[in-house]
Amino acid sequence: GENVEQHPSTLSVQEGDSAVIKCTYSDSASNYFPWYKQELGKRPQLIIDIRSNVGEKKDQRIAVTLNKTAKHFSLHITETQPEDSAVYFCAARGNDMRFGAGTRLTVKP
Amino acid sequence: NAGVMQNPRHLVRRRGQEARLRCSPMKGHSHVYWYRQLPEEGLKFMVYLQKENIIDESGMPKERFSAEFPKEGPSILRIQQVVRGDSAAYFCASSPTQRGASYEQYFGPGTRLTVT
Repeated sequence: GENVEQHPSTLSVQEGDSAVIKCTYSDSASNYFPWYKQELGKRPQLIIDIRSNVGEKKDQRIAVTLNKTAKHFSLHITETQPEDSAVYFCAARGNDMRFGAGTRLTVKP
Repeated sequence: NAGVMQNPRHLVRRRGQEARLRCSPMKGHSHVYWYRQLPEEGLKFMVYLQKENIIDESGMPKERFSAEFPKEGPSILRIQQVVRGDSAAYFCASSPTQRGASYEQYFGPGTRLTVT
């Protein structure tokens, strides 16, 4: 089955700086890679996703890159704001969906 | 279009009792997934169901846990003889039919189970 590793587990940045979270996956058949944001006590919310036929996708301050050869994908948040503070989960889907362990992002004002 | 619904939102059970968690997927979604989240931890896959079928239950403990998604009504995750270690948030997610190659999963608000 799929195995997803996510790094770092915690990340602290100053407001306005960029944040990068990286994930690797094991199943070469995986073809869909979503990212979720979870605020304290809330449900995970899909913020961006990418499919295996695309190398990069951007939505305003959020971008995701995918390297199929190396089996890794990354989330990039630019111009971070305090409201970006949350836990971010990556996931990879082949036959089933598997999530990374999460990254707690703190944006200091 | 209402989102994924879960109830109850909070459930308290004493050790040895049964817990029943319900999930109604988004309208038009025929795939349901259950995840468990312990405090300060990630989402752990439990089971994937379609209507009247369990597709993948590889993440579900072999004993005391069961799940169903009947033809009519919500999906139910059932935990028998609960123990303290079952205390967690249980999230349900749904996605559209895969014939459209739509893999997006949308999460419900979760049920927070506390076993006393």
